[in-house]
Amino acid sequence: DVKVTQSSRYLVKRTGEKVFLECVQDMDHENMFWYRQDPGLGLRLIYFSYDVKMKEKGDIPEGYSVSREKKERFSLILESASTNQTSMYLCASKQPGPLYNEQFFGPGTRLTVL
Amino acid sequence: QQPVQSPQAVILREGEDAVINCSSSKALYSVHWYRQKHGEAPVFLMILLKGGEQKGHEKISASFNEKKQQSSLYLTASQLSYSGTYFCGTGANFGNEKLTFGTGTRLTIIP
Repeated sequence: DVKVTQSSRYLVKRTGEKVFLECVQDMDHENMFWYRQDPGLGLRLIYFSYDVKMKEKGDIPEGYSVSREKKERFSLILESASTNQTSMYLCASKQPGPLYNEQFFGPGTRLTVL
Repeated sequence: QQPVQSPQAVILREGEDAVINCSSSKALYSVHWYRQKHGEAPVFLMILLKGGEQKGHEKISASFNEKKQQSSLYLTASQLSYSGTYFCGTGANFGNEKLTFGTGTRLTIIP
């Protein structure tokens, strides 16, 4: 059974803290994604990685960075958390190429920044 | 720009039909539909490609009008299990791995 796991379901941090959100997939997928989900705004892509150490900015990368040192792990980093980064964060993975259409999502991390 | 979905929310009785629309301001190559049940991860439903046929399985089907840059998801004789938030994700080009997701439609089915 395919699986994408995220390190925490709920996380509470203070403004200015450095925050790490971890995502691990066991499907040997090349592509991994980080999204944030907000009411009324749907899913918005923060960053995309298509290989180890390779990344592309998504639609809302400001205030975030990512790290992919191993194929199965993709980390989202908030260098200095702010209250407007309070959100649900979803990680996804996918095999590249037109034959593979499905993104597999993790359960999400609900981050609250106080 | 994100695709716009309509309606934003809808409540139906079991057995009724629903249509969810997804409209983009950009030319599209593909439209992907996902469903997210409350407290769970989004799950892939289907993909429609430019030049492809209407897709569907069981009582959930979808269409893609390339000229209008629109897709519609049809749920017939809805069941309680259809409740959730539906997202369309659009792909601009062949081979582009990134999707732009819509704003979501919350569907609630009541007995």
